[in-house]
Amino acid sequence: QKEVEQNSGPLSVPEGAIASLNCTYSDRGSQSFFWYRQYSGKSPELIMFIYSNGDKEDGRFTAQLNKASQYVSLLIRDSQPSDSATYLCAVKTSYDKVIFGPGTSLSVIP
Amino acid sequence: DTEVTQTPKHLVMGMTNKKSLKCEQHMGHRAMYWYKQKAKKPPELMFVYSYEKLSINESVPSRFSPECPNSSLLNLHLHALQPEDSALYLCASSQKGERDTQYFGPGTRLTVL
Repeated sequence: QKEVEQNSGPLSVPEGAIASLNCTYSDRGSQSFFWYRQYSGKSPELIMFIYSNGDKEDGRFTAQLNKASQYVSLLIRDSQPSDSATYLCAVKTSYDKVIFGPGTSLSVIP
Repeated sequence: DTEVTQTPKHLVMGMTNKKSLKCEQHMGHRAMYWYKQKAKKPPELMFVYSYEKLSINESVPSRFSPECPNSSLLNLHLHALQPEDSALYLCASSQKGERDTQYFGPGTRLTVL
């Protein structure tokens, strides 16, 4: 079983719609969860982090964490073409390493 | 300020060359990381320095040699690389602790001929 998994892409949504990105992880002792956005040829950019169960909102982005289900998600409201990128879920595990998921490619269609 | 800088931006080297990648942060972070990223793959952890000491080496070949001269600087020395080592090399830093939010530099695009 892979340590961090993400919904397979590519994911296409129309401009203005909600994009939903999902991530599951295997280590129940994981403490911290991150979402990075990566444009082609660029480095990952941190967009959200979440540590506690529930929702965390920042502008158009909402991260949701459910530790019992070992699930973390990212919702992007009012999606814009500039949101088209690969989204990486990262998890800090109980053995003190940050593990990245394979990424989900998002395409927002004008 | 969450800036991590890396030099050079691009590097082309032959298999017999010796080169170094440099990374710098001035956020007072006490952990620094090297990652390797191939096209369409996630970053792959190579090394972690915590309080200037190597804490994690992910079984990286000895042709990659990390160095942390002080808490702000991280180097990656390269020697006798192979063409399959061509990739984007990313440096990151974090304030060591439970949260450990990592911030990435822009990366060095390495091509080995």
